[in-house]
Amino acid sequence: AQTVTQSQPEMSVQEAETVTLSCTYDTSENNYYLFWYKQPPSRQMILVIRQEAYKQQNATENRFSVNFQKAAKSFSLKISDSQLGDTAMYFCAFISNNAGNMLTFGGGTRLMVKP
Amino acid sequence: DSGVTQTPKHLITATGQRVTLRCSPRSGDLSVYWYQQSLDQGLQFLIQYYNGEERAKGNILERFSAQQFPDLHSELNLSSLELGDSALYFCASSQGGTGANVLTFGAGSRLTVL
Repeated sequence: AQTVTQSQPEMSVQEAETVTLSCTYDTSENNYYLFWYKQPPSRQMILVIRQEAYKQQNATENRFSVNFQKAAKSFSLKISDSQLGDTAMYFCAFISNNAGNMLTFGGGTRLMVKP
Repeated sequence: DSGVTQTPKHLITATGQRVTLRCSPRSGDLSVYWYQQSLDQGLQFLIQYYNGEERAKGNILERFSAQQFPDLHSELNLSSLELGDSALYFCASSQGGTGANVLTFGAGSRLTVL
């Protein structure tokens, strides 16, 4: 079974600064995908970024980028130029590419962006 | 608007009762997933359907059941409700049924059991 661990329950950052959220996972699979989802106070789950395990290049979406270390099974999220609207719970998630799979979530990191 | 529609948004009921949560996937998506988010258990996968058939099962209680209909909407039935069933229930959909497909989540149905 796959597990996803987020070791930082809460973090804070000043507006306009950079913050990195950590995530580690455990799997014996070789073909899988990793995600970061954002859950703002509205409770909607919003996809932030996606990484295919077979790609060495780190995914980037505007101010959001990841540091994917496959051998270390690490998948951190970097938020640059933090904005007040980035305040949310952030969940790291894993899914293998097999049929009958499920998206497994970490416990989440609560990020507060301070003005 | 994510394109995944969940109803009702909020539901308050009593212990022992039965409720049905409904989900309409995004247009073109064949797979539907149900997740439960509670304070102490985090986000837990319940069940997945693909084009009307059950594809994967997670930590779904025997008191809970789900189905996906020919028009691809899905219903999650929760019976003999207990206080601990109070949670936010998410539906998500994807085009295919494998991990290569990105899940899009609905806004959730908040269930409160008194």
